[in-house]
Amino acid sequence: AQSVTQPDIHITVSEGASLELRCNYSYGATPYLFWYVQSPGQGLQLLLKYFSGDTLVQGIKGFEAEFKRSQSSFNLRKPSVHWSDAAEYFCAVASSNDYKLSFGAGTTVTVRA
Amino acid sequence: DSGVTQTPKHLITATGQRVTLRCSPRSGDLSVYWYQQSLDQGLQFLIHYYNGEERAKGNILERFSAQQFPDLHSELNLSSLELGDSALYFCASNPYTGSSYNEQFFGPGTRLTVL
Repeated sequence: AQSVTQPDIHITVSEGASLELRCNYSYGATPYLFWYVQSPGQGLQLLLKYFSGDTLVQGIKGFEAEFKRSQSSFNLRKPSVHWSDAAEYFCAVASSNDYKLSFGAGTTVTVRA
Repeated sequence: DSGVTQTPKHLITATGQRVTLRCSPRSGDLSVYWYQQSLDQGLQFLIHYYNGEERAKGNILERFSAQQFPDLHSELNLSSLELGDSALYFCASNPYTGSSYNEQFFGPGTRLTVL
């Protein structure tokens, strides 16, 4: 069974600083990997996805993520955060058998002025 | 706006009661997935329906059931409710061709509070 670990529960970053959120996955085959963002009281919005090919993927809102098979990681980055990036971020992996999503516990990002 | 709609937005009920949550997928999507988000369990997959048929089950309690109707909308039925069932319930949809993966698009969720 697949699983996802997000080691950081909470990260505080200054506006304009860079952000990196860590994600490690466990899955036997080639995973389908995702990052979702959830603003307070809102649903989940897809930031980016990795299915195959180029290991550096670009997403919306200036986010990117890099798939590293050797490290079983799919870390999310943004060069310069904006106050509106304050939210909870979820890494997820999908099974190629039934396509259900398994989510990490989430990382809450606080942006300080 | 993902195109997935869920009703109601909020639901407050008492222990022992039964509720029905409704989800309408994006136009053209045949698959509906249900997830539960709670403080202690995080985001957990409950069940997946494709074109009216159950495709996969997760950690869904026996008190919970779901179905997908011919018009592709889905309902999640929760019965004999307990305090611990209080959570945010999300529905997601995607085309699900069966041979390739498509990302899931999430609805805004239904917040269930059991008192």
